[in-house]
Amino acid sequence: KAGVTQTPRYLIKTRGQQVTLSCSPISGHRSVSWYQQTPGQGLQFLFEYFSETQRNKGNFPGRFSGRQFSNSRSEMNVSTLELGDSALYLCASSFGLAGGGSYNEQFFGPGTRLTVL
Amino acid sequence: GQQVMQIPQYQHVQEGEDFTTYCNSSTTLSNIQWYKQRPGGHPVFLIQLVKSGEVKKQKRLTFQFGEAKKNSSLHITATQTTDVGTYFCAGGGYIGGAQKLVFGQGTRLTINP
Repeated sequence: KAGVTQTPRYLIKTRGQQVTLSCSPISGHRSVSWYQQTPGQGLQFLFEYFSETQRNKGNFPGRFSGRQFSNSRSEMNVSTLELGDSALYLCASSFGLAGGGSYNEQFFGPGTRLTVL
Repeated sequence: GQQVMQIPQYQHVQEGEDFTTYCNSSTTLSNIQWYKQRPGGHPVFLIQLVKSGEVKKQKRLTFQFGEAKKNSSLHITATQTTDVGTYFCAGGGYIGGAQKLVFGQGTRLTINP
């Protein structure tokens, strides 16, 4: 079974530009979550999508947006890039809620490393 | 504020010493998951705990879920250099007014061989 794939793996942009990152979940997974990870920092939650609907959103400015397509693939977009947006962006896919409020295991992709100059 | 707290943030041990990381939630959780991220890698699922007071073992790793389902711990006995990495807990449940999975800040483990 293929794992979670993220493209591109590396990206260099300049301040003010915008970027789109892509995530293809494991076949059958309908939930995709996005996280930002900076050196020494934990996983900062961006958003979660399930069946094309945004279910949860983290505390990031409106420059960060996302969407999910009918095939469960997801994209996140960052507009007007700032130096502080340089980070590893991870997506994770799962079957979603497991019932009783529990969550299923998250499968992470390798991440996209974004550098903003 | 942080809804799932994890301590310590960093831990350095000598190879062979034990290691423990703790995870605390302000609300009752439905489940807790643990992940490991090796340097340069991505988080990988280790285990999930669902029941109050549950204890699970994986070789030298022991995972516990508190009786009140608000805290959890991961204990590694006799650390080895292969244990190096960052360990994250993730609590699932109704947190902060929504059904979500919330990751702790992680504990970065380094080992002196």
